[in-house]
Amino acid sequence: SQQGEEDPQALSIQEGENATMNCSYKTSINNLQWYRQNSGRGLVHLILIRSNEREKHSGRLRVTLDTSKKSSSLLITASRAADTASYFCATDGKISNFGNEKLTFGTGTRLTIIP
Amino acid sequence: DGGITQSPKYLFRKEGQNVTLSCEQNLNHDAMYWYRQDPGQGLRLIYYSQIVNDFQKGDIAEGYSVSREKKESFPLTVTSAQKNPTAFYLCASSIKGGSYNEQFFGPGTRLTVL
Repeated sequence: SQQGEEDPQALSIQEGENATMNCSYKTSINNLQWYRQNSGRGLVHLILIRSNEREKHSGRLRVTLDTSKKSSSLLITASRAADTASYFCATDGKISNFGNEKLTFGTGTRLTIIP
Repeated sequence: DGGITQSPKYLFRKEGQNVTLSCEQNLNHDAMYWYRQDPGQGLRLIYYSQIVNDFQKGDIAEGYSVSREKKESFPLTVTSAQKNPTAFYLCASSIKGGSYNEQFFGPGTRLTVL
């Protein structure tokens, strides 16, 4: 079963605007990761946030994590046409403090940036 | 260039045939993974290996087989027992097994059963 579910399923915005995607999950986690996938390609890792972190930044990306609500958000600021892609969250479903052997991916948000 | 490669990019198979998808990495990573992606869905884990000569079933292993004889290579065989094999297959690797490590993905193989 899917651990993470992204919302919305699809999002279209004008270039220069900010894009926000959300991820909800069901069980406790050690960490949550976000990945990007361009159409027909492999995934690219964007950022990892640990369960004891609330916010993390990387360039134009800002990720928040609320473990009490079992949710995370990915914010892309000042969007560009090249940001058009699908974005996936991946969770580990905490088994031990040493992490889990595998990740479970959500269904993704399809982001389209309109030039 | 370091990276993870998959071949072929496109693969066509007749029903009843086995087919093997290649995955090679030169990142010196211990762990490797195979995922299946269907349209509009996320990735589902087929098999993973945390070390040479060892591998575990993922969530949808039925109809698939793997081997890990070399650190660099993790081929996936889609057998005739897999009832709906048409999908996009992604291979990934990470420096070690475990969810604290980011995964590096190959470009994928699109398999179509005719």
